[in-house]
Amino acid sequence: AQTVTQSQPEMSVQEAETVTLSCTYDTSESDYYLFWYKQPPSRQMILVIRQEAYKQQNATENRFSVNFQKAAKSFSLKISDSQLGDAAMYFCAYRRNAGGTSYGKLTFGQGTILTVHP
Amino acid sequence: EPEVTQTPSHQVTQMGQEVILRCVPISNHLYFYWYRQILGQKVEFLVSFYNNEISEKSEIFDDQFSVERPDGSNFTLKIRSTKLEDSAMYFCASSDGTLFEQYFGPGTRLTVT
Repeated sequence: AQTVTQSQPEMSVQEAETVTLSCTYDTSESDYYLFWYKQPPSRQMILVIRQEAYKQQNATENRFSVNFQKAAKSFSLKISDSQLGDAAMYFCAYRRNAGGTSYGKLTFGQGTILTVHP
Repeated sequence: EPEVTQTPSHQVTQMGQEVILRCVPISNHLYFYWYRQILGQKVEFLVSFYNNEISEKSEIFDDQFSVERPDGSNFTLKIRSTKLEDSAMYFCASSDGTLFEQYFGPGTRLTVT
C-alpha cells in the first residue's frame, strides 16, 4: 500500500521569505502523480501544484515550486515570497496512474500547518 | 469556472439516524469520489464511483455507507446508522479522467451527537 508522510506538523515563515514543506512517500509503482493541496480555515481543498512521476522537470506554478526526487521518494514544496494568504494546512497527496485515467484514489499525508508572520 | 457543490454545509444528527450528503459534481466529469477528514487529521479516501458503480472503496466504507448517482447531476453518500465516530468533514470530488486532478467541493461538516 502506498503511504505519504509529512514529518513537519507545523512550519512558520516571515512574510516575503521562502519556506519549504517536506513530503516523502512509499510506493512500488513507477507511474504516479504527486500533488500539493492547500486547505485554508474554510477547509476547502485547493490544488496548488502537481507533478507527474515520468517528468524529470520539477513543476512550477508562480511562487510555488516542487523538488521532486524520484529515487529518494521525496516531494517537497517551496513557497517563495510568502504571503499572509498562504497561511493554511498543506497536504501532500499521491495517486497512482491507473492506465492513464484519473479514477485512482488520492492518498494524503498528515498535513503541515503553515503560519505566515507579518 | 465550474465547481463542485455540496449540501448541506453542516448537518447535525443524532446517533443511529440516517443521513444523506449531497454533491453536484462538475457537469462533464465522469469519476466521483468521497473523502472524509476527522477534525485535525488527514483526509482519507472512502469510495470512488464510475459508470454507475463503485470502482474502489476503503476499509472505512463498510455496510453502513452507500453511494448513489440518482440522476445525471447528483452524487450522494448515505450513512445508514450514524455513530459518534462518523463526525467529520466529508468532501466530494470529481474528475473528468483527462486532467488528472480531482476537484473538491467545499465539504459537509457532519456532527453526530
